[in-house]
Amino acid sequence: SSELTQDPAVSVALGQTVRITCQGDSLRNYSASWYQQKPGQAPVLVAYGKNNRPSGIPDRISGSSSGHTASLTITGAQAEDEADYYCNSRDRTVNHLEVLFGGGTRLTVL
Amino acid sequence: QVQLVESGGGVVQPGRSLRLSCAASGFSFSNYDIHWVRQAPGKGLEWVAFIWYDGSQKYYADSVKGRFTISRDNSKNTLYVEMNSLRAEDTAIYYCAREKWAAAGGRRNYYFDLWGQGTLVTVSS
Repeated sequence: SSELTQDPAVSVALGQTVRITCQGDSLRNYSASWYQQKPGQAPVLVAYGKNNRPSGIPDRISGSSSGHTASLTITGAQAEDEADYYCNSRDRTVNHLEVLFGGGTRLTVL
Repeated sequence: QVQLVESGGGVVQPGRSLRLSCAASGFSFSNYDIHWVRQAPGKGLEWVAFIWYDGSQKYYADSVKGRFTISRDNSKNTLYVEMNSLRAEDTAIYYCAREKWAAAGGRRNYYFDLWGQGTLVTVSS
């Protein structure tokens, strides 16, 4: 089956820019969505497709993709951005459909 | 208020069964595909299953296929998952999530725009 690969941990200095990546063959055919999860809370959608954000998500958070890699970029990271981030996509063959999550990236804001 | 609320979690012995529910409110439940996603303690998100808006199609992760059954009652605005032959590795917080999609560049962007707060299932003797 397909999988999505993320770096387990990334750190960024306060106010700097960080990119979180997600790689997988399924991303050639399906767009990624991104979720932020803070301790003890449910995941929250922060980006999907090519740079789409739900209302209420600050514009310093943006998504992009190229080939088999999707990226989530946080420009001017804030302390409240410290969280786990998960990418998500799907993969479909003739006989099977599955929904995929990356293993998650823990973002630390220094 | 637009929300999903899970219930039914608890402690269950290995090999036993449990049914979780996800009650929807504030939106037209019957218009949306809904998923179950779980998260083992200290681990990442794992997709479990999803069901089409009308219940006509169901898909499962290999890890639960043959043991879990997803269903919905649109008249009650409620999603279910019947979990049989439970194993220790099924221990997790179970979330239900609403799926949406947006057309872009000739393909669909799928995403989960609404999540419940989760219900904890612990499989232990």
